Order: sequence, then C-alpha cells, then structure tokens
Amino acid sequence: DAKTTQPNSMESNEEEPVHLPCNHSTISGTDYIHWYRQLPSQGPEYVIHGLTSNVNNRMASLAIAEDRKSSTLILHRATLRDAAVYYCILRPSNFGNEKLTFGTGTRLTIIP
Amino acid sequence: ETGVTQSPTHLIKTRGQQVTLRCSSQSGHNTVSWYQQALGQGPQFIFQYYREEENGRGNFPPRFSGLQFPNYSSELNVNALELDDSALYLCASSLAGRYTGELFFGEGSRLTVL
Repeated sequence: DAKTTQPNSMESNEEEPVHLPCNHSTISGTDYIHWYRQLPSQGPEYVIHGLTSNVNNRMASLAIAEDRKSSTLILHRATLRDAAVYYCILRPSNFGNEKLTFGTGTRLTIIP
Repeated sequence: ETGVTQSPTHLIKTRGQQVTLRCSSQSGHNTVSWYQQALGQGPQFIFQYYREEENGRGNFPPRFSGLQFPNYSSELNVNALELDDSALYLCASSLAGRYTGELFFGEGSRLTVL
C-alpha cells in the first residue's frame, strides 16, 4: 500500500483557517486521496476525498498538487469541535477493496 | 437511516479466553470491515466481509475470525486472547464498489485483556 506522511501534531487558533499537509510521493494513478478524522472517544469520520481536482464540501476543502504527490486539507474556520486526529489515506480503486490503511495522523489542537 | 452500531461498548476478559464483538451495518450497506486500534495508533485493518464471505485480510493471525449474516450484520471473534489484543475494535460499513465513497464507522468496542 502506498504510504502517506503527515506531521504528528499541529495547533491553530479558533476561527482561523487550518491547513493540514500530507505527502504521498508513491501514489499510483488510480489511488483516491481520502481524509478521515477521529474525535476523542469516537470512531473515524469521513471528511472528504478527491482524485485530481480540488474538492469542496460542507466540512472542508481538499487541495491536490498537480503531480498528486501531496495534498492539503483546509478547514476554513476552525472551531473547538474540529480538535481531532486527522488521517490522510490513499484508497485504491479496485472493486470490493474497502480497506483503509491508516497512519498515525495529525493531532490538531484548537486554541480558544 | 440508522448508523453503525457496535456492542458491547466495553468489556474485560482474561488471557486465553474468547470474545465475540457485534456490529450492525448502516442500512443498505453490503460490506463490513473490522479494524483494531491500539492506544495512540491509527486503526489497523483486520478483514472485510462482502456477501457473507471474507474477501480481504490484514496481517492478523487465524485466531481472529468473523462472520457476516444475510442482513449484513457482522461478528468479530477472537480466540485465545493475549494481552496485546487489548484495543478498540472498530467496525465500518460501506457499499462495495463505491470506492470513491465513504466508510461509516461505529464508535467501537473497547476490549481489555488482563
């Protein structure tokens, strides 16, 4: 499985934008980039995914580099509820493969 | 639409015992996967079930086994428990083939092995 690299931890002030980076230099052409987050005492929660183009949804934006070797999850206005561990995951696009390979993620702390 | 539910939420076992954890999938989902999350680590894939058959497995020994039922609910069984099996066990449901879609996780079953 292709590997992702993320900083262990980041801090951000409340109501400020947050940019969470992820490196995935060995990504293959058919791997989708997924982001999940895990709030304390909960299971992981889907945030966003993309293939080549930048993506937006109600939770976040995903900016994907042109060579696809890195991506950035953008939280436009962080709240205290966004404090969580954020995982960047490469998901192969073969049928029936629901396996996600989690790393250790980035622990995001929001400062009031 | 109901979410993924897991039971029990917490349990304590002793080394050598056996445990069964249960998972009810999100309505309409036909694939269930199980993950083990040790303290401070990301979840690790154990296996997945599709149409009642195991069709993918991570690096876990055979004493980790599972079942998927016709209603797509699932069980994870662990035999001969070891201390290192202490972890949060997560179940996720999804619709096979929609690899661009999301997996829905339950809140997990926390197993402590003494």
